[in-house]
Amino acid sequence: EVQLVESGGGLVQPGGSLRLSCAASGFTFSSYWMHWVRQAPGKGLVWVSRINSDGSSTSYADSVKGRFTISRDNAKNTLYLQMNSLRAEDTAVYYCARDLSGYYYNWGQGTLVTVSS
Amino acid sequence: QSALTQPRSVSGSPGQSVTISCTGTSSDVGGYNYVSWYQQHPGKAPKLMIYDVSKRPSGVPDRFSGSKSGNTASLTISGLQAEDEADYYCCSYAGSYTFRVFGGGTKLTVL
Repeated sequence: EVQLVESGGGLVQPGGSLRLSCAASGFTFSSYWMHWVRQAPGKGLVWVSRINSDGSSTSYADSVKGRFTISRDNAKNTLYLQMNSLRAEDTAVYYCARDLSGYYYNWGQGTLVTVSS
Repeated sequence: QSALTQPRSVSGSPGQSVTISCTGTSSDVGGYNYVSWYQQHPGKAPKLMIYDVSKRPSGVPDRFSGSKSGNTASLTISGLQAEDEADYYCCSYAGSYTFRVFGGGTKLTVL
């Protein structure tokens, strides 16, 4: 069974940093592109970032470019999102998702990030 | 990176059909056959319902169907059931720079 388990969320002050993790199991992690998608409270889904299977190529939404860094450790079957210079508008549930050639077949349960003083 | 346009809400009675539209541009919906639809119940992770415009993953009832015409994709749910009440999001590939874009979401109410 495919499982994606996010962790690392929490309360952080504006300007602070946080690193999210997504532990994958049940599939060959190193063969798939992975994404982060976020959802602010009461709002819709927003694509954040993606990384290719070997970690050599990444993309970011304009709203997080230069502040967030996506990475992966295929030996540990884990996806990461390093978030720096956090703003109130980054407050959201962050989901990791497995990319199956253009769509998200599997999602994690999400981890909540709250940016507030 | 503008979101795709969806109606904020739609409703229907049990057994009826509803259609949710998703309007983008030639740079996303109209330019690629990589439109997918997700169902999300409150407090839950999204669930894939349709991919590649009109394909259904195994386990998704055939009451759910997808289509596309020009820059607008559509999700049709026939034979509405109470458990279909949820938020629905469309998503499209948008090129190598923007990459992916979601719609703003549509709340489906089963009356």
